[in-house]
Amino acid sequence: DVKVTQSSRYLVKRTGEKVFLECVQDMDHENMFWYRQDPGLGLRLIYFSYDVKMKEKGDIPEGYSVSREKKERFSLILESASTNQTSMYLCASCEYRGMDSPLHFGNGTRLTVT
Amino acid sequence: QKEVEQDPGPLSVPEGAIVSLNCTYSNSAFQYFMWYRQYSRKGPELLMYTYSSGNKEDGRFTAQVDKSSKYISLFIRDSQPSDSATYLCAMTSGTYKYIFGTGTRLKVLA
Repeated sequence: DVKVTQSSRYLVKRTGEKVFLECVQDMDHENMFWYRQDPGLGLRLIYFSYDVKMKEKGDIPEGYSVSREKKERFSLILESASTNQTSMYLCASCEYRGMDSPLHFGNGTRLTVT
Repeated sequence: QKEVEQDPGPLSVPEGAIVSLNCTYSNSAFQYFMWYRQYSRKGPELLMYTYSSGNKEDGRFTAQVDKSSKYISLFIRDSQPSDSATYLCAMTSGTYKYIFGTGTRLKVLA
């Protein structure tokens, strides 16, 4: 079974803090993704990565950056957290470069910014 | 118009009922279709993955794709209270853009 592990289930941070969300997958998948999920808005893609050190912006990259130094690990960074970044953050991975494989998700990190 | 439309529910059914969950979409380029189950405060769990049109069955779950109508369905037979969750459809044309429905909340009453 594919396992995608997000390091924290719940985080509470203050406005202006730098926040790191970590994700690790154990199936040697090529592609990794960060989404946020908000009620009524569904899942929105922040960034994805198709290889080590490679990244592409998704639909809502503003205020976020990412890092992929190793194939199995993909980090999401909030440079200066703001209250509108309070959300559920979901990491996902998929196997093939051609994207013709399903996404596998972690259990999410619920981030609250106060 | 959204690319993918999904009724938010909630859909309440008695235990043992057959459940039908649906999504419609507008982009004829979509070829790969997924259904996910998401329990409260958890990540989405992959239930079914299908390519192009047709049916796929896995235990109590059947996924159906009708590309001519741009309509996909998930059927759950002999529904159980443990099936109570939000069900998300997702689809892609084979690029990094996976498009998700907003989810249907299902409640199976014991």
